[in-house]
Amino acid sequence: DQQVKQNSPSLSVQEGRISILNCDYTNSMFDYFLWYKKYPAEGPTFLISISSIKDKNEDGRFTVFLNKSAKHLSLHIVPSQPGDSAVYFCAATTAAGNKLTFGGGTRVLVKP
Amino acid sequence: DTEVTQTPKHLVMGMTNKKSLKCEQHMGHRAMYWYKQKAKKPPELMFVYSYEKLSINESVPSRFSPECPNSSLLNLHLHALQPEDSALYLCASSPRRSHEQFFGPGTRLTVL
Repeated sequence: DQQVKQNSPSLSVQEGRISILNCDYTNSMFDYFLWYKKYPAEGPTFLISISSIKDKNEDGRFTVFLNKSAKHLSLHIVPSQPGDSAVYFCAATTAAGNKLTFGGGTRVLVKP
Repeated sequence: DTEVTQTPKHLVMGMTNKKSLKCEQHMGHRAMYWYKQKAKKPPELMFVYSYEKLSINESVPSRFSPECPNSSLLNLHLHALQPEDSALYLCASSPRRSHEQFFGPGTRLTVL
């Protein structure tokens, strides 16, 4: 049973436009959410996170939105740059736990 | 020093070999993790060490044996692996009371 799902396996966007990545979860005990970016043959790099007490967190070009009632979060990248081309994973964890549950990933391609 | 390092980068081993993967961090993080990632899949948690004690074992076969000699080092001892164990093995660490995990670059393991 996949508790964290990223339903779009891939996304193609023009440089300078907005990239929107979506993530859904089923476990209502999750209350902290993270986004990671991964290049081939490298480890995931932490991007941004959000606690369930917030509905938005912003860091530079990256903004994460959380809709707890819908059990949905999204990552917005504005403006998208060619260097953003990578696989993006959302992950979730409970308040007490240190176990991250990852979604399946979305491959983003930013075209120049 | 703000990174997690892993050695070796690549490892090829036979099914009868014994080898070890090494992970090191000098950020003072007290939780360390081993993940396994197969191609086009998300990372899957294997083990969690908290304050040098094993706190989570995700039902990993005994041919994988973790060891945490001190707060900066994490090893994964490998013995009698199977070809299906070929994967990218990722180490991560996280600060106390933080959900963010910081990943190393991984060891690409091939079992022949």
